[in-house]
Amino acid sequence: NAGVTQTPKFRILKIGQSMTLQCTQDMNHNYMYWYRQDPGMGLKLIYYSVGAGITDKGEVPNGYNVSRSTTEDFPLRLELAAPSQTSVYFCASMTGAELGAYEQYFGPGTRLTVT
Amino acid sequence: AQSVTQLGSHVSVSEGALVLLRCNYSSSVPPYLFWYVQYPNQGLQLLLKYTSAATLVKGINGFEAEFKKSETSFHLTKPSAHMSDAAEYFCAVSDLSGTASKLTFGTGTRLQVTL
Repeated sequence: NAGVTQTPKFRILKIGQSMTLQCTQDMNHNYMYWYRQDPGMGLKLIYYSVGAGITDKGEVPNGYNVSRSTTEDFPLRLELAAPSQTSVYFCASMTGAELGAYEQYFGPGTRLTVT
Repeated sequence: AQSVTQLGSHVSVSEGALVLLRCNYSSSVPPYLFWYVQYPNQGLQLLLKYTSAATLVKGINGFEAEFKKSETSFHLTKPSAHMSDAAEYFCAVSDLSGTASKLTFGTGTRLQVTL
């Protein structure tokens, strides 16, 4: 099992550009999550999904969009990049078999810089 | 809403010394609590979790944590620090409301281990 994979590892965007951060998991997990990590701020939840076709907003969804067409994939879209979106982005997944008791598995992250 | 407070953004210990990383939580219902570790340029990895079974939880790499309801604490300890323990540590509480298990993270504690 590769677990949770994310691409790209690094990206520099200009203000106003758009991009998609890819996330794939091969553990057949129903639950998937996108977080951003800023220095000294911990991780903040952007969006999450409880299964294919079902997504919902987290704590900081503005400026982002997601889709979940398959169990495996959960891409995060930035439409008009802004400097405030400079961050490290983590994708995570969880089985969901016993809500709250199971760990989330994290990908290695994507470091995004918007200039 | 649930929240987590980690006291001390940076902790420095000598190799072989006791490691104590503090975490206090706020929750209106019995919480599920987690400690994650993040090594440089990597994603988060679960160290241990409390899910209302034993109050003393043992994790990987010799770490353990004790759930104390009266103190609303879940401090992480390790009897003897090793250089390889240098990393950032995050405490998290699980939000059992709604349809998905969402984690609320603390702001993290960076552990430095010196010779």
